[in-house]
This record gives sequence, C-alpha cells and structure tokens, in this order.
Amino acid sequence: GQNIDQPTEMTATEGAIVQINCTYQTSGFNGLFWYQQHAGEAPTFLSYNVLDGLEEKGRFSSFLSRSKGYSYLLLKELQMKDSASYLCAVHNDYKLSFGAGTTVTVRA
Amino acid sequence: ETGVTQSPTHLIKTRGQQVTLRCSSQSGHNTVSWYQQALGQGPQFIFQYYREEENGRGNFPPRFSGLQFPNYSSELNVNALELDDSALYLCASSLIRSGANVLTFGAGSRLTVL
Repeated sequence: GQNIDQPTEMTATEGAIVQINCTYQTSGFNGLFWYQQHAGEAPTFLSYNVLDGLEEKGRFSSFLSRSKGYSYLLLKELQMKDSASYLCAVHNDYKLSFGAGTTVTVRA
Repeated sequence: ETGVTQSPTHLIKTRGQQVTLRCSSQSGHNTVSWYQQALGQGPQFIFQYYREEENGRGNFPPRFSGLQFPNYSSELNVNALELDDSALYLCASSLIRSGANVLTFGAGSRLTVL
C-alpha cells in the first residue's frame, strides 16, 4: 500500500522560511513531486526529485532521502501569494500517490 | 500553448444518476489521467489512458469508466452515483517519455451528489 504523511497546517510570517516535511512508505518509487494548489485551482508543478539531495529552483528547494523515505519542500522569502496547499506525491509507474496536503498560511 | 481544460466546472446530480466529465489535454501530450480529490484530501488516482487504452487503474469500482479520443481529449463517466462521489475531479495530461513524467492538471470539475 501507499502511506504518505505531511503536516496538515503551517503558518509563517511574510519574508520568513518554512519547511514542509513529507515521509512516505510506498510499494514502488520512481520519484517524488511537489505541487502547489491554491483554493479552487489546479495543482501546479513545483519540483521533482529522483536522486538523493537538494534541488533548488528560485525561492523553492526540495530535498530527498530515499533511504529514509523522506522529503521536504523549503519555501524562502515567503510572500502572501505563497498561501496555498502543498502536495507531496510519490511517482510509481503510471500514477502519483498524493499526501493529504499541507495548508500554508502566510501572515503579514 | 493551451493548458488542460475541463468541463463542466460545477455540477449537481442526485444519487443513482450518471455523469460525464470532459477534458482537453495540453497540446503535445499523449497521456491523460483522472484523479478524485475529496475535500481536505489529496488527489486519488482513478485511471490513466494512453493511446486510447486504459494504462493503469486505481482502487475505484467499475462504475467509474473513461475514454480517450484520437485527439487526446478524454471523458470520465460515473454511473449509479453515490453520495461519496461528491468531490473535485481532476484531469491531468502528460507526455510519456523517459525521466520525470510531469502532470499538468486542469482546474477540475466539482461534482455534488445529493
């Protein structure tokens, strides 16, 4: 089966840094995705990790440790527009298995 | 480049009815997947279509069925609707190739079953 865990909610201040952790136990693994989803909108692709280590893309970075079944998404220099749900998803063959999502609220 | 478009955006049905949801894939993509997202949950994989054939299926009953057309557009059909089918249905297209298979999602069709 698939088990993907991430915190339900996080709150941070504008300009700060927030780290969203994701742990997974899945029957297969071809890579790990992070998606951002604003309320009422489509999930949009943020990052993809297939090898261990850190992938940096502007204000967003994602880390993967396959041996620990662990990933995190790091959001730096938070802006109000970053308030959204962040979805961790494991890629296995033809499908993505998603966590329940972490709602990040950015306060002024 | 157009993204993934879905229709209708919202609809209300009653228990036992049937519904058809439609999706137009992003230009250049050859694969379409459907996901169900209940309120406060992550998307759950329903099935994927490639070259007009079902390429994989999640843990959903046979009353969930789909089609992919030669122009890579797709339909999701749900028969004998149940209250628990109320959810956001997301269509996602991608291009199968080696490496990351990044899904591009549509904004979804929100189905309410009364």
